[in-house]
Amino acid sequence: KAGVTQTPRYLIKTRGQQVTLSCSPISGHRSVSWYQQTPGQGLQFLFEYFSETQRNKGNFPGRFSGRQFSNSRSEMNVSTLELGDSALYLCASSLVGRQNLNYGYTFGSGTRLTVV
Amino acid sequence: AQTVTQSQPEMSVQEAETVTLSCTYDTSESDYYLFWYKQPPSRQMILVIRQEAYKQQNATENRFSVNFQKAAKSFSLKISDSQLGDAAMYFCAFAGTQGGSEKLVFGKGTKLTVNP
Repeated sequence: KAGVTQTPRYLIKTRGQQVTLSCSPISGHRSVSWYQQTPGQGLQFLFEYFSETQRNKGNFPGRFSGRQFSNSRSEMNVSTLELGDSALYLCASSLVGRQNLNYGYTFGSGTRLTVV
Repeated sequence: AQTVTQSQPEMSVQEAETVTLSCTYDTSESDYYLFWYKQPPSRQMILVIRQEAYKQQNATENRFSVNFQKAAKSFSLKISDSQLGDAAMYFCAFAGTQGGSEKLVFGKGTKLTVNP
């Protein structure tokens, strides 16, 4: 069974540019959530998508957005990049519903974004 | 809002010995899940062990076990017979069951060093 696939693995962008990151969940997992990991702030929740709808959003500015496609693949977009957006962006997929939380969340290897 | 606190930024253990990583959390929910994730330098978050809040029995997975104290809101991880491959960042995480959204709240992490 294939794991969660995130592309690209590494990305270098210039301030002011925009970037799109991709996440393909485990087959059958319909929930995809995104996290930003930095040394200072740790792991912070960005947003979660299920059935092409954003169900929850963390405390991030509107420059951070995402979407989910009918095959559950998800993308996140960051516009007008700032130096502080440099981070590891992790995607996790899961089954949906309280009874399935026991199976946990499966993470991808992340995309390392560097803004210069 | 839920919070997760890991009070030990770094820990070290000798190979073959036992180490315990601490985690406390705060929530008003009574039904939730707790997880320990391991993040080696490869960056991928790997699920180590999970605990369902209404199960009183502590979870175990081979050399990994937890001490779950619901009233004290404490969820520590014990690693027995430590191996060099256990060296990694360890994150404690909380997932509530209310609100209909899949989301993890993480602690800041504990860096575990295993000495040969």
